Amino acid sequence: DGGITQSPKYLFRKEGQNVTLSCEQNLNHDAMYWYRQDPGQGLRLIYYSQIVNDFQKGDIAEGYSVSREKKESFPLTVTSAQKNPTAFYLCASSEPRGSGYTFGSGTRLTVV
Amino acid sequence: RKEVEQDPGPFNVPEGATVAFNCTYSNSASQSFFWYRQDCRKEPKLLMSVYSSGNEDGRFTAQLNRASQYISLLIRDSKLSDSATYLCVVNPRQNTGFQKLVFGTGTRLLVSP
Repeated sequence: DGGITQSPKYLFRKEGQNVTLSCEQNLNHDAMYWYRQDPGQGLRLIYYSQIVNDFQKGDIAEGYSVSREKKESFPLTVTSAQKNPTAFYLCASSEPRGSGYTFGSGTRLTVV
Repeated sequence: RKEVEQDPGPFNVPEGATVAFNCTYSNSASQSFFWYRQDCRKEPKLLMSVYSSGNEDGRFTAQLNRASQYISLLIRDSKLSDSATYLCVVNPRQNTGFQKLVFGTGTRLLVSP
């Protein structure tokens, strides 16, 4: 079955550490996205990519980095510069003119 | 003004009730509209697209009013399993071949026995 796989499901980060969240899709979608969701808040766009080897900053890109070396993969690195990284991170993909996004099951990141 | 605004709720209704949610959007050029459902600590899942003529999927009916820039979702005969947060979602861009959706903060629904 086609879908988006995010890993790990839960991740704990120490202060000052960089961590990378994985996102893989086998839907053959060109566009991929990373969102952050905080309790009681909506989804906020971190980065997005319309095509391989290209990506753009979203609304809250500071402290994050991404790469898009393969169509299937769009990993997100949460760097030590992100001061409040504890959140639920969601990866999504979409067809160019399709109906909405397909989401992965998310990664819950906690700073310890 | 937020691009997409929803009443956060919660809406507390008994089983079998009919409940309606509204959502307003600020960009009059917005092209496509959706309702997503998000269960607690899970990812959002597409519930239904919203078409200009209105559309129905079982107990769920979605309406779009472009003149007033609002979208509605009606749930009839509520079930306990309908308890979730409902996200109003808008694509504010022209049909350029790329979607960059804007999500409302969601309306929480609690259906009780």
